Amino acid sequence: SQQGEEDPQALSIQEGENATMNCSYKTSINNLQWYRQNSGRGLVHLILIRSNEREKHSGRLRVTLDTSKKSSSLLITASRAADTASYFCATPRRGTSYGKLTFGQGTILTVHP
Amino acid sequence: EADIYQTPRYLVIGTGKKITLECSQTMGHDKMYWYQQDPGMELHLIHYSYGVNSTEKGDLSSESTVSRIRTEHFPLTLESARPSHTSQYLCASSPVFNEKLFFGSGTQLSVL
Repeated sequence: SQQGEEDPQALSIQEGENATMNCSYKTSINNLQWYRQNSGRGLVHLILIRSNEREKHSGRLRVTLDTSKKSSSLLITASRAADTASYFCATPRRGTSYGKLTFGQGTILTVHP
Repeated sequence: EADIYQTPRYLVIGTGKKITLECSQTMGHDKMYWYQQDPGMELHLIHYSYGVNSTEKGDLSSESTVSRIRTEHFPLTLESARPSHTSQYLCASSPVFNEKLFFGSGTQLSVL
């Protein structure tokens, strides 16, 4: 089973609206990362939040982390058509696979002009 | 814009051919990775490297091999390509293991 799972699988909104994506994970982590991938391209790192942090901001991005619920959310405020992309959460696993970064299946965000 | 480059961008070849996917980075990162991704799916780690002369297999079993003779260069080789190898291959690097990965644009491989 996957370490990180995003929800919803797809999200369609109008420009100017906010977009919220969620990520759940199964084992303890020391950080959680969010990446964006434009169609057919590589991923771009957006933000990293450590296990001792609850919230982090970067421009129009806001990430929260709830380690008790093993979940994180990514909020994009005042979305733009250029935000259309797939968004992935990624977590490094502990134990025998220590440190290996596991990506979820992603949330496909479509922002209509 | 990340300073990590993958070539070729697209590759269509016949079954049985030997291929090498190139990946180079100019950031001086010790840690490098190869991921495989099918359309609409998650990324699977197939190889990683801690530094020169250090390579390890990832989570997904792969018939490919890698080498790390220079810090900046991490090529992936398939000795005999098969249609099951058709996928997108993404190379990445990072200054710290598994934090803030920088990705190349990927190589879309199609084996006929």
